[in-house]
Amino acid sequence: AQKVTQAQTEISVVEKEDVTLDCVYETRDTTYYLFWYKQPPSGELVFLIRRNSFDEQNEISGRYSWNFQKSTSSFNFTITASQVVDSAVYFCALSESQYSGGGADGLTFGKGTHLIIQP
Amino acid sequence: EPEVTQTPSHQVTQMGQEVILRCVPISNHLYFYWYRQILGQKVEFLVSFYNNEISEKSEIFDDQFSVERPDGSNFTLKIRSTKLEDSAMYFCASSEHGDEDTGELFFGEGSRLTVL
Repeated sequence: AQKVTQAQTEISVVEKEDVTLDCVYETRDTTYYLFWYKQPPSGELVFLIRRNSFDEQNEISGRYSWNFQKSTSSFNFTITASQVVDSAVYFCALSESQYSGGGADGLTFGKGTHLIIQP
Repeated sequence: EPEVTQTPSHQVTQMGQEVILRCVPISNHLYFYWYRQILGQKVEFLVSFYNNEISEKSEIFDDQFSVERPDGSNFTLKIRSTKLEDSAMYFCASSEHGDEDTGELFFGEGSRLTVL
């Protein structure tokens, strides 16, 4: 069975600080896909990244970066120089299918980390 | 930019009533999904739909739920006899399926269902 754990329920930092959101996953599959989604206060889910299990290269996109470590089953997300607009709930998710809708059980989401960026 | 649209944005209903939530996926997408999020909790997969039939469904998606693509553009979720615990935000999503999967699942803005 798949499982995604986001141990940090809520993180609060002051603007311009760097912040890392942790994600630990469990799966029996050798091929799987990891995702991060952002859910701003307006409620929609915004796709941030997909990473497959064969690609352990870290990814950077502007102020966002992701650190995938297969050895520790972690896929952490760092925001550099945080801004108030980054305040949202961030979900890590896991899929066994290359199609982002997921395999037998769809996407398995973590419980989310509520990130608060204070001005 | 193409987007997934959902209606209504918020529906309040009495327990036992039937509810239909509507979604218009992105036009060239072939895979459609419903997810739900009970307030303050994680997003949970309900069902996926491809080629006019359900391809996967979760344990949550029991006999009171059904999905339909009635006219080639809308994708609906019907809850036959609502219960209090059905109160949640329901997200529709779609994805492109082909040789070049973008890996991105496009979500709608959600339909909030409140069962009284």
